[in-house]
Amino acid sequence: GENVEQHPSTLSVQEGDSAVIKCTYSDSASNYFPWYKQELGKRPQLIIDIRSNVGEKKDQRIAVTLNKTAKHFSLHITETQPEDSAVYFCAACYSSYGKLTFGQGTILTVHP
Amino acid sequence: SQTIHQWPATLVQPVGSPLSLECTVEGTSNPNLYWYRQAAGRGLQLLFYSVGIGQISSEVPQNLSASRPQDRQFILSSKKLLLSDSGFYLCAWTISGSASYEQYFGPGTRLTVT
Repeated sequence: GENVEQHPSTLSVQEGDSAVIKCTYSDSASNYFPWYKQELGKRPQLIIDIRSNVGEKKDQRIAVTLNKTAKHFSLHITETQPEDSAVYFCAACYSSYGKLTFGQGTILTVHP
Repeated sequence: SQTIHQWPATLVQPVGSPLSLECTVEGTSNPNLYWYRQAAGRGLQLLFYSVGIGQISSEVPQNLSASRPQDRQFILSSKKLLLSDSGFYLCAWTISGSASYEQYFGPGTRLTVT
């Protein structure tokens, strides 16, 4: 099966700084990589995703990059705001049934 | 638009009691459905997935079972709960037969086994 490692486990930044979260995956057949944001006590919300035929994708202040050769992908948040504070999860999809393997999460804290 | 419901929202059950959690999806047909568990402060673990009525695949051996009696209904059950079954249970869906794997989660059920 797939294995996803996520780093760092906690990240603290000042408002306006950038934040980067990195994930590595093991199964070279994985072809879809979503990122979820989870606020305390709530469901994970899909914020951005990337497919294996794309190297980078941007959506306003967030971007994701994928390096298939090295089997890692990263989430970049620019101009962070306090409302970006949450737990962020990466995931990798390794089957045509859409099964996701999740990383262990990164607690992002943005200080005003 | 599509909506996913879960109930109950919270549940406190004693060890050894049975469990039934329900998930329903509206606004789509023949979705792929998933059950995840999230232990406190941890990531999400896939428990079961289903690609159609009566079709259930288990990802990890455990004390739980799942059923899909209708196209848009997914049920998670246990005959006898263990303390280790405590957690946040999330149902998710995705469009089947599509190139899209975007997966959307329900609001979750927080289960405490005492």
